[in-house]
Amino acid sequence: DAGITQSPRYKITETGRQVTLMCHQTWSHSYMFWYRQDLGHGLRLIYYSAAADITDKGEVPDGYVVSRSKTENFPLTLESATRSQTSVYFCASSEGTVSYNEQFFGPGTRLTVL
Amino acid sequence: ELKVEQNPLFLSMQEGKNYTIYCNYSTTSDRLYWYRQDPGKSLESLFVLLSNGAVKQEGRLMASLDTKARLSTLHITAAVHDLSATYFCAVVSDKLIFGTGTRLQVFP
Repeated sequence: DAGITQSPRYKITETGRQVTLMCHQTWSHSYMFWYRQDLGHGLRLIYYSAAADITDKGEVPDGYVVSRSKTENFPLTLESATRSQTSVYFCASSEGTVSYNEQFFGPGTRLTVL
Repeated sequence: ELKVEQNPLFLSMQEGKNYTIYCNYSTTSDRLYWYRQDPGKSLESLFVLLSNGAVKQEGRLMASLDTKARLSTLHITAAVHDLSATYFCAVVSDKLIFGTGTRLQVFP
């Protein structure tokens, strides 16, 4: 089915380990986004991408790395996970040529860093 | 920097009652979105409001936008249990800025 998927859905890791969260969309949307959701903070933008090979920082980029070699994939890597990165991570995509069109969200990845 | 505030943060209401959720934002914007999130689930788009005075309705939910007051409202009419969820507004800056959400609980 078309849509936006994330994997894994749940992940437990330890402090200092590298973790990669995957996001895949089948709509060929130009824009893709990574958010984290924490109680009391709503959704905060980590990184976004306007197209393949174009990425930019959001509100809370520290400790994260992204890449976008193909339009449909937008992986998020935590290079050395910390407990403060325990969160629910949502990937989203939107069509068009601006970053503020309606976004469609993936199911989320719940990450726990011990 | 655009700030988005929702209130109330938590709303417990009885079935059949009406209530309004407010979304205030700090700088000029003429586009706003409302999303719904069920517990443990993803965000689902509810409304897209594209101009001053825009009003959208679906079922028991009605959203409006007043860009001059920098205010959007989400009005709930005759609430039912199925509306229990967290509702987010998101305001356009150069990107979407999300409010902290309003957790709505509807009880019999």
